[in-house]
Amino acid sequence: NAGVTQTPKFQVLKTGQSMTLQCAQDMNHEYMSWYRQDPGMGLRLIHYSVGAGITDQGEVPNGYNVSRSTTEDFPLRLLSAAPSQTSVYFCASRAGTKGSGQYFGPGTRLTVT
Amino acid sequence: GQQLNQSPQSMFIQEGEDVSMNCTSSSIFNTWLWYKQDPGEGPVLLIALYKAGELTSNGRLTAQFGTTRKDSFLNISASIPSDVGIYFCAGHSFGNEKLTFGTGTRLTIIP
Repeated sequence: NAGVTQTPKFQVLKTGQSMTLQCAQDMNHEYMSWYRQDPGMGLRLIHYSVGAGITDQGEVPNGYNVSRSTTEDFPLRLLSAAPSQTSVYFCASRAGTKGSGQYFGPGTRLTVT
Repeated sequence: GQQLNQSPQSMFIQEGEDVSMNCTSSSIFNTWLWYKQDPGEGPVLLIALYKAGELTSNGRLTAQFGTTRKDSFLNISASIPSDVGIYFCAGHSFGNEKLTFGTGTRLTIIP
């Protein structure tokens, strides 16, 4: 199994541009989520999904959209990039059992100029 | 929302020393998780705790689920260079799909 994969690894955007961060998992996990990690602030939840067709907002959802058309994929869309969205983005997945440990992808480092 | 206080924020130790860190919550959790993150990588799950008072080991790592369900502890014995990284605690409560993460403890080994 590849686990959780993310692309791209690095990305530079200009303010106002849009883009999609890709996330895929091959473990048949029901639950997937997106976090952003900023220095000194730990991991903050952006959006999450408990299964295909179901998504919900996390702690910091503004400026981001998600969709979950398949179990495997959970892309994160930046609608109009802002410098405040400069961060490292992690996708994670876990089995349906609540409380089970999440598995994280390698991250996407995004810079918005 | 729920908050996790993780301490210490950073530790500077010599190889071979034991390490202790902890997390405290403003509310009860039903699951405590400990992760380690290496530079440029995503967090990796080290230990999961599911029951108050539970003590679980993973090699030189030992974690405990506090009896009040509002805290958890991680100990590393006889530290080695590959222990360097950032350690995060995370908590989960029933009825809530979300994990709450601590702000991390950065471990550095002084030569």
